[in-house]
Amino acid sequence: DIQMTQSPSSLSASVGDRVTITCRASQDIRNDLGWYQQKPGKAPSRLIYAASSLQSGVPSRFSGSGSGTEFTLTISSLQPEDFATYYCLQHNTYPWAFGQGTKVEVK
Amino acid sequence: QVQLVQSGAEVKKPGASVKISCKASGYTITTYYIHWVRQAPGQGLEWMAMVNPSGGDTEYAQNFRGRVAMTRDTSTNTVYMELSSLRSEDTALYYCARELPPYRRLDPWGQGTLVTVSS
Repeated sequence: DIQMTQSPSSLSASVGDRVTITCRASQDIRNDLGWYQQKPGKAPSRLIYAASSLQSGVPSRFSGSGSGTEFTLTISSLQPEDFATYYCLQHNTYPWAFGQGTKVEVK
Repeated sequence: QVQLVQSGAEVKKPGASVKISCKASGYTITTYYIHWVRQAPGQGLEWMAMVNPSGGDTEYAQNFRGRVAMTRDTSTNTVYMELSSLRSEDTALYYCARELPPYRRLDPWGQGTLVTVSS
């Protein structure tokens, strides 16, 4: 089974900061990866698909990159509504797998 | 509008089983795959399983093979997920979610069903 290793598990940042989150797959998953945002008490919502494509309606400050085994989610200028937990999800092969999550907190 | 509505919270004893329903509205359940994801209190998301409500084919995470059974009732547009041999570590919020092609987006998600396993 493919394992997804996400880092960091948490980070503290301020509004306007640039934030980078990384996911590493245990084997090549091409670009079959999405990034999800989850706010407290809510179901997750996808921000990025195919590793680097922005989901419709998602602000352009979110971007994704990578392919193969290394992937990155970047928030170019953190906004108040971006304080949340972020997860990567590989869907290249069953069983699918989430990363462990990154909680973005107020500094 | 398209939504998935799940059954209500459950409290179960260790060793028991729980069956959660996921009822689709706004579309026909057999059109898209349904996934199950759980989240233990204060923890991350864990992918559990997938069912094709049309053909019945399924996929499972290693942790759930042999313990999860998924069925569907097309007459009520509902998918069910039964988890057996419950233990305290199964206490979690269980979500169903629809998979949308072509890029396999999970959307929408159900509201979640809280399962508490306690003696």
